[in-house]
Amino acid sequence: KAGVTQTPRYLIKTRGQQVTLSCSPISGHRSVSWYQQTPGQGLQFLFEYFSETQRNKGNFPGRFSGRQFSNSRSEMNVSTLELGDSALYLCASSPGLLAALQETQYFGPGTRLLVL
Amino acid sequence: AQTVTQSQPEMSVQEAETVTLSCTYDTSESDYYLFWYKQPPSRQMILVIRQEAYKQQNATENRFSVNFQKAAKSFSLKISDSQLGDAAMYFCALIQGAQKLVFGQGTRLTINP
Repeated sequence: KAGVTQTPRYLIKTRGQQVTLSCSPISGHRSVSWYQQTPGQGLQFLFEYFSETQRNKGNFPGRFSGRQFSNSRSEMNVSTLELGDSALYLCASSPGLLAALQETQYFGPGTRLLVL
Repeated sequence: AQTVTQSQPEMSVQEAETVTLSCTYDTSESDYYLFWYKQPPSRQMILVIRQEAYKQQNATENRFSVNFQKAAKSFSLKISDSQLGDAAMYFCALIQGAQKLVFGQGTRLTINP
């Protein structure tokens, strides 16, 4: 089975712009979660999507949004970019909802976003 | 709120020797799962091992094993016969009722040949 794929792998944007990141989960996986990784804050949960619905959300401003399509692929959007949004954005998929707790998440290679 | 603490920012070990990475956590839930993930320089997060809180037996995966002390809320990772390919950042993570993975700050492991 192919792993989790993320596109693009690298991105450079300027302050005020918006960006869309894409994630394709492992085939058969229905849950997609997004995480932000920065040297200062570490790994932080952004949100989880399951069956095209946002099921859980972390403590991030409304500029961060996402969606999931019927084929489970997910996109994450960040509007009005700030310098502090520079980070590695990781996507993870699991067969079922994280609420089941026993689900193991498998991560993609990440998208490195640099905001200038 | 749940927290995960990794008190060792960096560790190093000689190739073929054994190293233990520490992790403590705090949760008020009785049902939770613990994970160790490895992040090599490629930045891809790779699952190393997982432990169900309700299981008393420590999980093992080949050269990787955990010492799960539920009462002490401790979850350490032991790597036996360390190999150069084990060099990476290691993250301890917890999932419980909040339904999201909470990660520790990571431990950078260096393998000396």
